[in-house]
Amino acid sequence: AQSVTQPDIHITVSEGASLELRCNYSYGATPYLFWYVQSPGQGLQLLLKYFSGDTLVQGIKGFEAEFKRSQSSFNLRKPSVHWSDAAEYFCAVGVPGGGNKLTFGTGTQLKVEL
Amino acid sequence: NAGVMQNPRHLVRRRGQEARLRCSPMKGHSHVYWYRQLPEEGLKFMVYLQKENIIDESGMPKERFSAEFPKEGPSILRIQQVVRGDSAAYFCASSPPGGTANSYNEQFFGPGTRLTVL
Repeated sequence: AQSVTQPDIHITVSEGASLELRCNYSYGATPYLFWYVQSPGQGLQLLLKYFSGDTLVQGIKGFEAEFKRSQSSFNLRKPSVHWSDAAEYFCAVGVPGGGNKLTFGTGTQLKVEL
Repeated sequence: NAGVMQNPRHLVRRRGQEARLRCSPMKGHSHVYWYRQLPEEGLKFMVYLQKENIIDESGMPKERFSAEFPKEGPSILRIQQVVRGDSAAYFCASSPPGGTANSYNEQFFGPGTRLTVL
């Protein structure tokens, strides 16, 4: 079965600094890959997704992610963090032919210092 | 176009009571998914339904939990005889129809129902 690892439970960055959130997956082929953001008390919002093609994916709110097959990774990046980016970020995978269900990582809580 | 709606947003039950969680998908969406988020954990898939059909319930606990998505009305996740371990946030997502076995339809998530069992 597929699995997702987000090794950083908490990350704190200063506003204006760059950000990278790590995500590794375990699956025999290339899965569908997603990053979601969850603000306190809210549902999940899709930031970006990767299905195939260009391995650098652009998303909303200035986020991007790069798929690296050799490292089974799909790290999320942002060049300059804003205070409003403070939230919890979840990486997720979907399995082609797996019926659309998603497997989520445990999340990374991002704190932004002003 | 309203998003996925869930109600209630917060639900408190005593041990042994029943909890009923409702999910109204986005307009035009006929696929519904339920996920559970335990404290300090990510979301875990529970069940995938289409109108009047359960497609995949591989994540549902074997006892006390059931889900339905009737032809008319919202999808319902029912938990009978709740226990403290059922305390969690329950998220519903919906996606449009179509797609194939090897494609993916984006899921849109609701705000969740936070269940507290006393």
